[in-house]
Amino acid sequence: DSGVTQTPKHLITATGQRVTLRCSPRSGDLSVYWYQQSLDQGLQFLIQYYNGEERAKGNILERFSAQQFPDLHSELNLSSLELGDSALYFCASSVAEGVLETQYFGPGTRLLVL
Amino acid sequence: AQTVTQSQPEMSVQEAETVTLSCTYDTSENNYYLFWYKQPPSRQMILVIRQEAYKQQNATENRFSVNFQKAAKSFSLKISDSQLGDTAMYFCAFMRGNFNKFYFGSGTKLNVKP
Repeated sequence: DSGVTQTPKHLITATGQRVTLRCSPRSGDLSVYWYQQSLDQGLQFLIQYYNGEERAKGNILERFSAQQFPDLHSELNLSSLELGDSALYFCASSVAEGVLETQYFGPGTRLLVL
Repeated sequence: AQTVTQSQPEMSVQEAETVTLSCTYDTSENNYYLFWYKQPPSRQMILVIRQEAYKQQNATENRFSVNFQKAAKSFSLKISDSQLGDTAMYFCAFMRGNFNKFYFGSGTKLNVKP
C-alpha cells in the first residue's frame, strides 16, 4: 500500500458524459501527478500539481482538466467523454516537486466509456 | 523530445534464474533520472529501482540491479533469483532533471515460470 488513495476504483459511463476522479496523496506529500494508461498509448503523463499550483503539463487533452485543493487532494475532470478515453488513470504523489522525487502511485481508477 | 524504448514486449524466465530487461532512451539532456516500475496483475505501479544520470555506479536494490550505460543511452534491469511474485509488467521511465515530466516505455511483460 503506497498511501495514495484514488476513488472510485471503477467507473462506467457513456460517451459525452463528464466524470471526476479523485486522488488523495500520501500524508506530507505536496506534489500530485496524473497518468493515463491505455492499451494503445501505454502510460502517459498528463499533469502535475505542487501545493495547489500547476507545475508541468504532459499529453493532457483540452477536454480534461485538473486541480489540487488546499487540503492537497486532487481531482481530474474528464468531459465530453469518448470511447478512446477508456483507460486506467493513475495518480501519484511525491514529497516535493524538485529533481528526483520518488513518485508513489495509487491503485488507479478504471474508466470504461460505453 | 525524449523517447523511451523497450524492445522486448514479453519475456519468460524460470524461477530462480536471472533475466535482463532492456531499455534505451533518447535525450539531449545531461541531467536526468531513470526508473524501473513494476506493475503486477493488480495494476498497482511499484517503484523497483532508480538511477541518477550523474552517478556512474549502477544502482542495486536486493535482487534488482541496473546496467546504466550513459554513452549508449541504455538502462537495463537485471533480476536475479527470479521469483513467482516478479511476474508483472515492467516499465522503464525517464525524467528530465529540471521538470517532473515522466516518459515511459511501452513495457515488458515478464512471466516467471515455476
